Amino acid sequence: NAGVTQTPKFQVLKTGQSMTLQCAQDMNHEYMSWYRQDPGMGLRLIHYSVGAGITDQGEVPNGYNVSRSTTEDFPLRLLSAAPSQTSVYFCASSYGAGIYGYTFGSGTRLTVV
Amino acid sequence: RKEVEQDPGPFNVPEGATVAFNCTYSNSASQSFFWYRQDCRKEPKLLMSVYSSGNEDGRFTAQLNRASQYISLLIRDSKLSDSATYLCVVTRGTGTASKLTFGTGTRLQVTL
Repeated sequence: NAGVTQTPKFQVLKTGQSMTLQCAQDMNHEYMSWYRQDPGMGLRLIHYSVGAGITDQGEVPNGYNVSRSTTEDFPLRLLSAAPSQTSVYFCASSYGAGIYGYTFGSGTRLTVV
Repeated sequence: RKEVEQDPGPFNVPEGATVAFNCTYSNSASQSFFWYRQDCRKEPKLLMSVYSSGNEDGRFTAQLNRASQYISLLIRDSKLSDSATYLCVVTRGTGTASKLTFGTGTRLQVTL
């Protein structure tokens, strides 16, 4: 099993550019989410999905869009990158809403210059 | 006040030592509790769930004190490979309304 696969691992963007971070899981998990991790801030929830076709905002959704057309995939789109979006992004999936523990992808290190 | 608070450390301990971390949470409605481990520049990985009666997994013991609203993680006979950041996670709500909150982590460095 691949678990949760995130691509790319590293990315440098210029301010104003857009891009999509990919996330795929092969565990048939209904629940998927995106977090960002910044020094001293802990993991903060950006968006989450409880199943195909259903998404909702987390704690820090501004500047990001998501969609969930299949159970397996949950891409995160940065609409117009800003330096404040420089961070490490993790995708996670679980049975239920994390109450059985999350499986995380290996992360995407994004730098916006 | 943060919903989940941890001492950031670092805790520097010699190999073989016993070390304990605490984590406090502010919402008394919190229902589930976990410890995750995160190695440097890696993703968090579930270490163990924390049950009301306390639970043990090898050298690791987790305990929950609902009255004082804290959870703890005890590591006995520390190994060099235990060096990592330990994240406390608290959930509240149920089903699709469940909300997880991560602490900022406690860094452990085990030395020779």
